[in-house]
Amino acid sequence: DTAVSQTPKYLVTQMGNDKSIKCEQNLGHDTMYWYKQDSKKFLKIMFSYNNKELIINETVPNRFSPKSPDKAHLNLHINSLELGDSAVYFCASSLRGGGDTGELFFGEGSRLTVL
Amino acid sequence: DAKTTQPNSMESNEEEPVHLPCNHSTISGTDYIHWYRQLPSQGPEYVIHGLTSNVNNRMASLAIAEDRKSSTLILHRATLRDAAVYYCILRMKTSGSRLTFGEGTQLTVNP
Repeated sequence: DTAVSQTPKYLVTQMGNDKSIKCEQNLGHDTMYWYKQDSKKFLKIMFSYNNKELIINETVPNRFSPKSPDKAHLNLHINSLELGDSAVYFCASSLRGGGDTGELFFGEGSRLTVL
Repeated sequence: DAKTTQPNSMESNEEEPVHLPCNHSTISGTDYIHWYRQLPSQGPEYVIHGLTSNVNNRMASLAIAEDRKSSTLILHRATLRDAAVYYCILRMKTSGSRLTFGEGTQLTVNP
């Protein structure tokens, strides 16, 4: 069983479109994250939710809107896609407060290409 | 967040030990030292973490300097599968699992 699963794995779309990436974790964690990895391979945190409540919101454009229907799911919706949104988006989960190890569990990533 | 400094890249031969260094001279007393790695086309995965004492697990060992201003991740016998980007990250005890990734070290393992 995949612990943190993201769909779709690949997404190619035109500028101006709206798209969503879904994430689900079956680890029983209460905190989920979205990270963005750009072409230079820098991994930056975008959002974090704990039990459906937004707790981290980095300086991300308003076009990005996370939604957490329950603590096992965190979806990312992006409006009016721009070329610069092309990146790999990683979902992750953890226990609030980090648990014993502070370990983050990452999904395999969703590669978004905006043409 | 306190900053870490790692070499951009390192090379090793298969079945030899690898020592990956990390400097973190501005570390605070409550910062944990975490190591993650990212294999090609995959998400990062946890390797090991420590606070003051050296740590061992099935994947690696973590050697922490006495003043905690540097640490070394040790892979005892590198395999081709260990080729990845290795990230040394400081995690504030109060920040939960929030991690700030740097550039990491690209490890190449030669057969």
